Amino acid sequence: DVKVTQSSRYLVKRTGEKVFLECVQDMDHENMFWYRQDPGLGLRLIYFSYDVKMKEKGDIPEGYSVSREKKERFSLILESASTNQTSMYLCASSATGGPLAREQFFGPGTRLTVL
Amino acid sequence: RKEVEQDPGPFNVPEGATVAFNCTYSNSASQSFFWYRQDCRKEPKLLMSVYSSGNEDGRFTAQLNRASQYISLLIRDSKLSDSATYLCVVDLIYNFNKFYFGSGTKLNVKP
Repeated sequence: DVKVTQSSRYLVKRTGEKVFLECVQDMDHENMFWYRQDPGLGLRLIYFSYDVKMKEKGDIPEGYSVSREKKERFSLILESASTNQTSMYLCASSATGGPLAREQFFGPGTRLTVL
Repeated sequence: RKEVEQDPGPFNVPEGATVAFNCTYSNSASQSFFWYRQDCRKEPKLLMSVYSSGNEDGRFTAQLNRASQYISLLIRDSKLSDSATYLCVVDLIYNFNKFYFGSGTKLNVKP
C-alpha cells in the first residue's frame, strides 16, 4: 500500500514564525504536491514537484516555499506565518504515466492554526 | 471562474435511495476525470476514474459528457457508509499531472 506521511497532525504557531511541514512517501513516486483545504474553497494547489530539486508554483504560492532534496520527501515552508494561513494542509504523491497511473495518494493532513 | 464546480449540498437521502451528483468543468482541453471520496476529517481517496464511455463499479456509475463539459456520479442503493464528501477532479494531462479539485458535494445517508 502507498503510504504518505506528514510530520504533524496538528500544529499551532504564532504570527511571524517560520513553519516547516514535512511529507514523506514510500512508493518512489516522481510527483509530489502540497494543497491547502478550506471550507467552501476545496483543495487548492500551493506547489508541486515532478522531480528532485524541481518545483512548480501552483495556484496560490504566495507566502510559501518548498524544498525537495530527496525523491521521497517534500517540505512546505511558511517563511513568516500569518493568520490567513490557518488551514488544513494536505500532501499528495503520484506516479508519472498514463491517466490511470496518475492517481494522487494523500497524507492524513496537518491542521495548522496561526495565532 | 473556477475550473471545476460542484453543488456543495448537503444531499440528505434515506438508506436505499439513488442519488446523483453533477460537476461541470471549464477547460475543454481537460483529459482525465475522477471522483474522490473524503470522509470527515480524513484525506481524499480515489473512488473511481471516469471513462469516456461511462463506467460502473458496483453501486457507483460515472458518466462523462464532453459536449456539455460535465461529469456525473450515480450511487444506487445508498448505504450509511456512503456518507462522505465527493470531490470531482479534472486533470489537464499536459500540465504536469496537475489536478483541479471541485469543492465537494456532501452526502448524508440517513437510516
